[in-house]
Amino acid sequence: AQKITQTQPGMFVQEKEAVTLDCTYDTSDPSYGLFWYKQPSSGEMIFLIYQGSYDQQNATEGRYSLNFQKARKSANLVISASQLGDSAMYFCAMSASNTGNQFYFGTGTSLTVIP
Amino acid sequence: KAGVTQTPRYLIKTRGQQVTLSCSPISGHRSVSWYQQTPGQGLQFLFEYFSETQRNKGNFPGRFSGRQFSNSRSEMNVSTLELGDSALYLCASSLQSGGLYTQYFGPGTRLTVL
Repeated sequence: AQKITQTQPGMFVQEKEAVTLDCTYDTSDPSYGLFWYKQPSSGEMIFLIYQGSYDQQNATEGRYSLNFQKARKSANLVISASQLGDSAMYFCAMSASNTGNQFYFGTGTSLTVIP
Repeated sequence: KAGVTQTPRYLIKTRGQQVTLSCSPISGHRSVSWYQQTPGQGLQFLFEYFSETQRNKGNFPGRFSGRQFSNSRSEMNVSTLELGDSALYLCASSLQSGGLYTQYFGPGTRLTVL
């Protein structure tokens, strides 16, 4: 079975600073994908970034990068140059080829950006 | 491309009533998944539909049901509402690439049961 763990219930970061949100995962499937979603107070889950288990390089999307350490089974999200609009819940998720479209979500991290 | 749309956005019902929520996936996406999100339980998977067939199901009572139409639009129905059904219901449409899926979510429907 797949499992996602996010150990930081809440994080604070100063505006314009970088922040790392932690995510560890567990799976026995060699082919899997790791995802990060942002959920503002409005409720919509916004897809941020994806990393495939066979990808050699860490994924980047604008100010978001995924620090993928396969041996440690971690997939941390790094947000550079934080903005006030980054304040939201952030969820780490994974899917695996042997479980099709079944997504497994962590419990989320609440990020607050301080001006 | 238009994103995932969900209607209605907000809904207030009373215990014992039933409710139907609608989800229109991104054009070309054939898979639709439904989730319930509550502060206490987090995100919980309800079910997934692909090509009008339920492909996966979470651990929810039979009061929760769904269906998918030939145009991939999906509906979920909750009968005999209970107070604990108050939640944000999220729909996600999926695109498969290289054996793996990516889920794109709609804005959600906030259901309040009084």
